[in-house]
Amino acid sequence: VLTQSPGTLSLSPGQRATLSCRANESVHSAFLAWYQQKSGQAPRLLIHGATNRATGVPDRFRGSESGPDFTLTISRLEPEDFAVYYCQQRTFGPGTKLEFK
Amino acid sequence: QVHLVQSGAEVRRPGSSVKVSCKASGGSFSNYAINWVRQAPGQGLEWMGGLIPLFHATNYAQSFQDRVTFTADESTSTAYMELSSLTSADTAVYYCARDSAMYSHSFNFDFWGQGTLITVSS
Repeated sequence: VLTQSPGTLSLSPGQRATLSCRANESVHSAFLAWYQQKSGQAPRLLIHGATNRATGVPDRFRGSESGPDFTLTISRLEPEDFAVYYCQQRTFGPGTKLEFK
Repeated sequence: QVHLVQSGAEVRRPGSSVKVSCKASGGSFSNYAINWVRQAPGQGLEWMGGLIPLFHATNYAQSFQDRVTFTADESTSTAYMELSSLTSADTAVYYCARDSAMYSHSFNFDFWGQGTLITVSS
């Protein structure tokens, strides 16, 4: 089971976003992915293997890990980054909604 | 570039079944797992399971394993998901998604279909 925090994150363009994902049991980092989903669209793979950016993903997106905790950091928010973000290791976390402040 | 195109929206009665197709183009179909993910209205993503066509190997999520069947037709590069004993709780958008790892499951899905809305209503 994956938990994500916060449930909602209210920020402004240009700010830094930090999204967390924690597993309640050991997760092999190779199987940890992050997705972005915008309203009415299919999810988009951002990060695979916990730390690797998918093809075409801007370098402001960074995945990291520390023990059972995984983090997605968006260094400087662009208007198009406001969306829902999910982590996944087989099953999906409940998501973090990144909204305009 | 891999492209996944799904069949169109369907309406079903409670207790019936539905079969959704996912046609792949632009890549090697048989070597990569095709997974199915659903999303109920206003809710998060729910992994249903996957199938590696080359091995006919399925991997079902426990909550679906009694009433879902994944198949694939390698001659047409098309994967199918059939869900039976439908209830209103099955109303959702169903996505197919390709695993990025060849011959195995990494649960990193790099290409997605456009989604198919299944509505279960009497």
